Formats: sequence, C-alpha cells, structure tokens
Amino acid sequence: GESVGLHLPTLSVQEGDNSIINCAYSNSASDYFIWYKQESGKGPQFIIDIRSNMDKRQGQRVTVLLNKTVKHLSLQIAATQPGDSAVYFCAENSEAGSARQLTFGSGTQLTVLP
Amino acid sequence: NAGVTQTPKFQVLKTGQSMTLQCAQDMNHNSMYWYRQDPGMGLRLIYYSASEGTTDKGEVPNGYNVSRLNKREFSLRLESAAPSQTSVYFCASSLQRQWGMNTEAFFGQGTRLTVV
Repeated sequence: GESVGLHLPTLSVQEGDNSIINCAYSNSASDYFIWYKQESGKGPQFIIDIRSNMDKRQGQRVTVLLNKTVKHLSLQIAATQPGDSAVYFCAENSEAGSARQLTFGSGTQLTVLP
Repeated sequence: NAGVTQTPKFQVLKTGQSMTLQCAQDMNHNSMYWYRQDPGMGLRLIYYSASEGTTDKGEVPNGYNVSRLNKREFSLRLESAAPSQTSVYFCASSLQRQWGMNTEAFFGQGTRLTVV
C-alpha cells in the first residue's frame, strides 16, 4: 500500500546550525502535506504545511520544500535551538471515505548539541 | 481554551479486560480522529469521524470500536484488550472535513496503555 517514509531515523546538529529533515512519499494522489513536531510525552504539534501546487513555503525559522517529481519533502530549520530537539513527522493527506486522513511517516529524532 | 483533552493519561489492563478512552475538544471542530503510536513508528489511524453522527474505519480498526457521542466527544473502546494493543493513543480533531491550508489536526496529550 501507499506509505510515507523518512530517510534518516536520527539527526544530530550543533546549536546554531541549520537542520534539514527529509521525507519521501509514495502516494502520487496526495495533495497536502504537514510537518509535525513531537516532544517527549506530548502529542504532535503542527509546524507547517504545504499544498501540492506549491514548491516552497516559509514560516518562522522553518521552510518546507516539496519536489513532486521525486516525491520528496523536506523541512529546514534555521539556526537550530535546543528547544528544537524532538521527533519530527511528515504526514500526507489523502481522500478516503467521508473525510480526509493523515498518513504519518515513522519520524526523525532531531538532537541539538550544545 | 483546553484544545483536545484525553482521559486517562495512563492505564494498565489485564488481557481480556475492556475500557473506554475518552476524548473531548472545545474548538467546535467537525472531524475527530483516533491514532495509535508504537515505539519508533509514526501514528496509525484507527478510526475517524468526519462529523457528528458518522464514523469510519482507518488503517488499523480491528479490536476497537468508537462512538461520536456529540460534536465535542469521540470515545475509543477496547472490548477485550490484548497485549498487541499496548501503545500510546492519540485523539485529534480538525475544523473541516476537507483538508486545506491551516486546517491541520490538533492532538491531545495521549493515553499510554499497557496490556499485560
């Protein structure tokens, strides 16, 4: 079946450096993608989203890039801070039944080193 | 504004016991969802409710039932718990049936369930 997957399960970066988290998706019909951040013991928290008719979207310190040709999504975090340490999930949105569903990847653990 | 509230936060069950996980949202959202998260994995959809009065199966519905009690509340029931149902359960809600920009799902804090 269709799935969303991540290239790297863990990523360590120095404080102040930029972080890039990658995600591959396989459902060509997906038209909406979301990045979530999950801190230990908490539920996922929305970071940024992007529709398939866009290549790039910027938020505060975060940028999402979408390459539909190779079905690849990335999250860039500028000037990574200790508070950015968390698991990051990409999720793709698909139409199913009477409502749209989110399908999540397995996550990337980002660790920010002092 | 509490957002999405789940109860209980922790629960230990014996194999074969039943229980209901409660979820309530105060954001007047139409759609609600139940996910489970296993170690090292993403969230998998169990059931969802597009609107009050409707429920549909997700990716992993076996062993579970749901009730959309009203617009605010969406409960998940385990009729006969099994060790394979040991997981962290998340409830989520979203404003619209149709996803679009800024209509992301908001998640509760999770219920950590252990079945022994």
